[in-house]
Amino acid sequence: EAQVTQNPRYLITVTGKKLTVTCSQNMNHEYMSWYRQDPGLGLRQIYYSMNVEVTDKGDVPEGYKVSRKEKRNFPLILESPSPNQTSLYFCASSSREAVETQYFGPGTRLLVL
Amino acid sequence: GENVEQHPSTLSVQEGDSAVIKCTYSDSASNYFPWYKQELGKRPQLIIDIRSNVGEKKDQRIAVTLNKTAKHFSLHITETQPEDSAVYFCASGGTGNQFYFGTGTSLTVIP
Repeated sequence: EAQVTQNPRYLITVTGKKLTVTCSQNMNHEYMSWYRQDPGLGLRQIYYSMNVEVTDKGDVPEGYKVSRKEKRNFPLILESPSPNQTSLYFCASSSREAVETQYFGPGTRLLVL
Repeated sequence: GENVEQHPSTLSVQEGDSAVIKCTYSDSASNYFPWYKQELGKRPQLIIDIRSNVGEKKDQRIAVTLNKTAKHFSLHITETQPEDSAVYFCASGGTGNQFYFGTGTSLTVIP
């Protein structure tokens, strides 16, 4: 089954404790992205990647890191989480031929205390 | 950067009526204009999209129109049904994989 998976689905942490949210897709997609969703603000792109070892900042990259060492994986790293990073996070992937057809993961709900 | 504005933020319609959601964008280089539906507690899912070289696209009860000159695009849902109730997001994308989303429209279809 073609899918995008994220782990963990729910996470409660404390300020300053490094965490990683994993994202994996099995569709051989070139493009991957991370978004955060906050009430009233819609979805905002954090980082995106167009290929292995190629990553670019989206609209709200501050406080986040990503890596793309393998085509299927695109982890999101919060080196020192702060309460304003409490949000719902989505990973997404798409093919180069149909870049607008993004497949979203199930989401990760993060609470930073 | 790009600025996508979406209206209205909430919309209630009677079952069977039509619903229209409008978005404007600012970057003339934008080429892709997808629409996503997000049901409560679920992930966004693509329902229709349009590219900049097309003025209108239709898929059963859903249609999207694009006016590149005026930099606006709209989602039209006809013969609405209760299962159409959800939050709808428009988005614009240009070169590569960078996308900007609208702030969403919460559609309620009243049976």
